[in-house]
Amino acid sequence: EVQLLESGGGLVQPGGSLRLSCAASGFTFRSYAMGWVRQAPGKGLEWVSRISGSGDTTKYADSVKGRFTISRDNSQNTLYLQMNSLRAEDTAIYYCAKYSAGPDTPFDYWGQGTLVTVSS
Amino acid sequence: DIVMTQSPDSLAVSLGERATINCKSSRSVLYSSNNKNYLAWYQQKPGQPPKLLISWASTRESGVPDRFSGSGSGTDFTLTISSLQAEDVAVYYCQQYYIAPLTFGQGTELEIK
Repeated sequence: EVQLLESGGGLVQPGGSLRLSCAASGFTFRSYAMGWVRQAPGKGLEWVSRISGSGDTTKYADSVKGRFTISRDNSQNTLYLQMNSLRAEDTAIYYCAKYSAGPDTPFDYWGQGTLVTVSS
Repeated sequence: DIVMTQSPDSLAVSLGERATINCKSSRSVLYSSNNKNYLAWYQQKPGQPPKLLISWASTRESGVPDRFSGSGSGTDFTLTISSLQAEDVAVYYCQQYYIAPLTFGQGTELEIK
């Protein structure tokens, strides 16, 4: 059974940093692209970033480019999102999601999400 | 970026009746080399993550009831629930995965009339 478990969310002041983690199990982690999708309170879904299975290719939404860094440790089956220079508008539930195959495929599994609140 | 626009924003349908949600993309998500539409539909119930219902515009995921169907091509797509059940109350999103950045529609809230 595929499981994705996010952690690392919390309350942070504007300008601060957080690192989110996503522990994956139930599939061959290194074989799949992974991504982060966020959802502001009461709002819709926004794709944030993706990383290839090997970790050598990444992409970002313009809204986070230069501030967020996606990475993965295939030996630990873990996906990360380093978030720096956080802004109030980054407040959201952050979901870790597995692409069904390569990065040009839909997300077939999602974690339960971790809440990030940026506020003073 | 490809803009995805869903209609309506909200929808109330009686139990057992048909529900139809539309999704329009600002450019075609049909890849001519393989004749596939890079379009998915997700269902999100309150307090839960999204769940993939349909990929490639019309391929139902394993375990998804056959009352859910997807259709359309190019820029215009439809999600149809043939006979609404109480457990179908949710927000539904379309998403294009044709090109980064992946983009979602704004969501359609489906409720029971």
